[in-house]
Amino acid sequence: QQPVQSPQAVILREGEDAVINCSSSKALYSVHWYRQKHGEAPVFLMILLKGGEQKGHEKISASFNEKKQQSSLYLTASQLSYSGTYFCGTAHGQAGTALIFGKGTTLSVSS
Amino acid sequence: SAVISQKPSRDICQRGTSLTIQCQVDSQVTMMFWYRQQPGQSLTLIATANQGSEATYESGFVIDKFPISRPNLTFSTLTVSNMSPEDSSIYLCSVDGQGDYEQFFGPGTRLTVL
Repeated sequence: QQPVQSPQAVILREGEDAVINCSSSKALYSVHWYRQKHGEAPVFLMILLKGGEQKGHEKISASFNEKKQQSSLYLTASQLSYSGTYFCGTAHGQAGTALIFGKGTTLSVSS
Repeated sequence: SAVISQKPSRDICQRGTSLTIQCQVDSQVTMMFWYRQQPGQSLTLIATANQGSEATYESGFVIDKFPISRPNLTFSTLTVSNMSPEDSSIYLCSVDGQGDYEQFFGPGTRLTVL
């Protein structure tokens, strides 16, 4: 039931765009996106809820296709600070339930 | 967002011993979760801890190995018992956003077992 993330790794130059995908074989209630830098805890970026509600980081956007059980995170005009590992976490029950995380996508942004 | 602290931040322990990790939140929360992150890996849910009830463990994790306490709405502990080198990981607690649906992570406890 672990969601599948793709790609595994992305290398970008500053200013370039990237899309990270997350798909589940099970019906989703919500999808949560986090970024983790080496040696630090995951930082919340965005949540997408069944029904269309979204909350999160101003400069990051995401989509949630409930029917396809997929979500995509869009990183536009990337900055050096965007480097890190991105995880999607999926919740299959009601709000407040535990998350199952994908294996992560490593993003490296260089100048 | 909730402010979460964990103690200890790191520890080096001998095989066969136990370590208790504390998680403190600055506000009352219903749900607290414990995760493990092995080096270079994703986060794996260990258990869900609700105040006033037994923790709910995920497949592969048992209460005898990872006993959890949740005495009130701001605090929880996870004990890693009879440790082996395979238990070397980062252990993280997280809490739900109380109506906002986000989940926030504590800074983690880096455990090394020799």
